[in-house]
Amino acid sequence: AQTVTQSQPEMSVQEAETVTLSCTYDTSENNYYLFWYKQPPSRQMILVIRQEAYKQQNATENRFSVNFQKAAKSFSLKISDSQLGDTAMYFCAFMKQYGNKLVFGAGTILRVKS
Amino acid sequence: GAVVSQHPSWVICKSGTSVKIECRSLDFQATTMFWYRQFPKQSLMLMATSNEGSKATYEQGVEKDKFLINHASLTLSTLTVTSAHPEDSSFYICSARRDRGYEQYFGPGTRLTVT
Repeated sequence: AQTVTQSQPEMSVQEAETVTLSCTYDTSENNYYLFWYKQPPSRQMILVIRQEAYKQQNATENRFSVNFQKAAKSFSLKISDSQLGDTAMYFCAFMKQYGNKLVFGAGTILRVKS
Repeated sequence: GAVVSQHPSWVICKSGTSVKIECRSLDFQATTMFWYRQFPKQSLMLMATSNEGSKATYEQGVEKDKFLINHASLTLSTLTVTSAHPEDSSFYICSARRDRGYEQYFGPGTRLTVT
């Protein structure tokens, strides 16, 4: 069974600074997908970024980028130029290539301070 | 595109009654829908996976007779909490996936309070 571990329950960052959220996972699969979701106080789940395991290049979406280390089974999220609107709970998630289910980590609460 | 709605957004019901939550994919056909439960400041827990026209697959530990799931069409899945009790109070989230593709699109969630 796959597991996803987020070791940082809470983090805070000053506005305009950079923060990195950690995620590790355990799987015996070779092909899979990894995701970072954001859940703001509204509780609507928002996809931030996705990574296909077969792609070596790290995914980037504007201020959000990942550091995907397949051998180390690590998938961290870097948020640059943090904004107050980035305050949310962030979940790392795993899905097998032909699977159905998302496996979520426990989440990291990120607070951006002005 | 890929919008998922849930109704109601918040419901309060009395202990012993049943409540139905709807999940709709508004601009795409969803062959698979998922129901999650989330407690405050915790992660999402998958309750069941439903495929259009077939019985839902429940995760271990989820009572299928208590949480009835019906995926009647390619755009609608419903979750009925039967004989609700205060411990069923939670935030319920659905998601939907297209026939082709792996991404899940999430609804805004439904807050259930059982008094």
